[in-house]
Amino acid sequence: DAGVIQSPRHEVTEMGQEVTLRCKPISGHDYLFWYRQTMMRGLELLIYFNNNVPIDDSGMPEDRFSAKMPNASFSTLKIQPSEPRDSAVYFCASSYDGGEETQYFGPGTRLLVL
Amino acid sequence: QQQVKQSPQSLIVQKGGISIINCAYENTAFDYFPWYQQFPGKGPALLIAIRPDVSEKKEGRFTISFNKSAKQFSLHIMDSQPGDSATYFCAASPVNAGNNRKLIWGLGTSLAVNP
Repeated sequence: DAGVIQSPRHEVTEMGQEVTLRCKPISGHDYLFWYRQTMMRGLELLIYFNNNVPIDDSGMPEDRFSAKMPNASFSTLKIQPSEPRDSAVYFCASSYDGGEETQYFGPGTRLLVL
Repeated sequence: QQQVKQSPQSLIVQKGGISIINCAYENTAFDYFPWYQQFPGKGPALLIAIRPDVSEKKEGRFTISFNKSAKQFSLHIMDSQPGDSATYFCAASPVNAGNNRKLIWGLGTSLAVNP
């Protein structure tokens, strides 16, 4: 398996622009997680899905952030409008609901908002 | 509110030495304690995990020690190697109920192993 795939790997945008991050989970995995990583706050869980349904979005910073999972093989995290404080590395992870709780992380998207 | 406290924030160890990273938690409902390893430019990857029914788990040079009464768990890296230089995260998860798969993460420890 190719593992969790994220795109783009790097994104540079200007404040106020819309940013869309994409994730393809490992085939057969039931859970998908979106994380944000910064030096100051470490790894923060933003939202996670089970069978394409959002389960916990309490980590989503504010209404500027939204996430969707239209099918089992694709998810997006959108920031509109983006702000400099959104600059971070965004990770997508997936896991399988078979008793094992291992989360498999993608390579991340490094976002810089100028 | 930080529910999993990790220390130290950074650690420097000589090659061949023992690296020890500690984590403490508050929620007695936690029952799954993984450690993840992250190399620069990569996503975290599971290193080793433990459940509270055992006090220690060893995989190669990596050992988790678990103290349920003290609500603490630690990662020991024996014979540390320069290739172990990475950031290590502890995490905890509550009892697996329904579709709850939320991990509570420590803030990470940056380990540097000098050759």
